[in-house]
Amino acid sequence: GNSVTQMEGPVTLSEEAFLTINCTYTATGYPSLFWYVQYPGEGLQLLLKATKADDKGSNKGFEATYRKETTSFHLEKGSVQVSDSAVYFCALSAPTGRRALTFGSGTRLQVQP
Amino acid sequence: DAGVIQSPRHEVTEMGQEVTLRCKPISGHNSLFWYRQTMMRGLELLIYFNNNVPIDDSGMPEDRFSAKMPNASFSTLKIQPSEPRDSAVYFCASTLGGEAKEVFFGSGTQLSVL
Repeated sequence: GNSVTQMEGPVTLSEEAFLTINCTYTATGYPSLFWYVQYPGEGLQLLLKATKADDKGSNKGFEATYRKETTSFHLEKGSVQVSDSAVYFCALSAPTGRRALTFGSGTRLQVQP
Repeated sequence: DAGVIQSPRHEVTEMGQEVTLRCKPISGHNSLFWYRQTMMRGLELLIYFNNNVPIDDSGMPEDRFSAKMPNASFSTLKIQPSEPRDSAVYFCASTLGGEAKEVFFGSGTQLSVL
């Protein structure tokens, strides 16, 4: 079946540090890949997405590249801010079969001033 | 657009009571999802509907859980009888199209079963 594996958190960084959150997936065919962000007390919001191999999704300084050869979709940001503190979820949408999003376990990011 | 609207935001109930969670998807969206979030199990898909029809309910924990979508603008998730292990945040989400693309989430219902 489809699955998503994320690095465990929490990840604690100082402001302006470089961020990487690892995400790998298992899926049949070529899924679409997503990163969602959840701020405290809120629902998940789409951060970025990529729908085919070698696509790069980007938004608000965050980037992730769809790597088919390594089945990965790692999230990166060059300089984090305190306001980036949240939980980040990697997710996939399979092209066939169950069409709902499959989420990873989430990674909590805490950015300190 | 008001986004996906869930009610109530918080629900505290006693074991054995019936609980009904409500969701209004974004107007025009034809797919609706119910997720449950806990610290131990993360985000779990409970059920999803396409054009008001349940497509996959394999994530529904047991017969105590039921979900309905009587029309395109309303869905309910009911737990009867509720148990302490049902305590979680329940999210409703919607999107346009049968294949999940950008899915829009509500703010969730925090359920506590005492």
